[in-house]
Amino acid sequence: DGGITQSPKYLFRKEGQNVTLSCEQNLNHDAMYWYRQDPGQGLRLIYYSQIVNDFQKGDIAEGYSVSREKKESFPLTVTSAQKNPTAFYLCASSIRGGSGMNTEAFFGQGTRLTVV
Amino acid sequence: GENVEQHPSTLSVQEGDSAVIKCTYSDSASNYFPWYKQELGKGPQLIIDIRSNVGEKKDQRIAVTLNKTAKHFSLHITETQPEDSAVYFCAAPWMDSSYKLIFGSGTRLLVRP
Repeated sequence: DGGITQSPKYLFRKEGQNVTLSCEQNLNHDAMYWYRQDPGQGLRLIYYSQIVNDFQKGDIAEGYSVSREKKESFPLTVTSAQKNPTAFYLCASSIRGGSGMNTEAFFGQGTRLTVV
Repeated sequence: GENVEQHPSTLSVQEGDSAVIKCTYSDSASNYFPWYKQELGKGPQLIIDIRSNVGEKKDQRIAVTLNKTAKHFSLHITETQPEDSAVYFCAAPWMDSSYKLIFGSGTRLLVRP
């Protein structure tokens, strides 16, 4: 089955620690995204990547880092510089549209990160 | 850049009634408008989308309408059922080279049995 997989589902972090959230897709999509969702809030874009070895900051990139070494994988690291990391993190992927043609974004099931 | 506003933030309807959620967007060049449904503890799933070359699209009990002149689009759910209870998000693309989606703030729909 094709899809997008996030792991782990739940993650606990001690203050001062870096943690990495995994996102893997086997849909052969070029573009991948990380969003943060706080309770009762919408989705805010952290980072996105349109192609391997390239990524761009979204609206709330401070305290986060990413890499895109493989088309299938787009891991997100939450660093100790992120002062309020407790949130629900969603990864998504889509076919990179040409000539302004957007397509559906497929989401993973999310990782709930809690600082303890 | 794109700005998407969504209303209402919460909506409670009786089973069998209709529900309407509205969104406005700011970038007149935007050409793709998806709606996502998010159940508790899960990732959003696309339920319907519309492109700027049509004004309405239907899929069984759900429909989306688009008014390009006014820059707003709406989700209509008819004959609501308890399983329709969820959070619904609209989105529109930021029409720079990234075409990344900008999401509305979400509507929590509760269908009362």
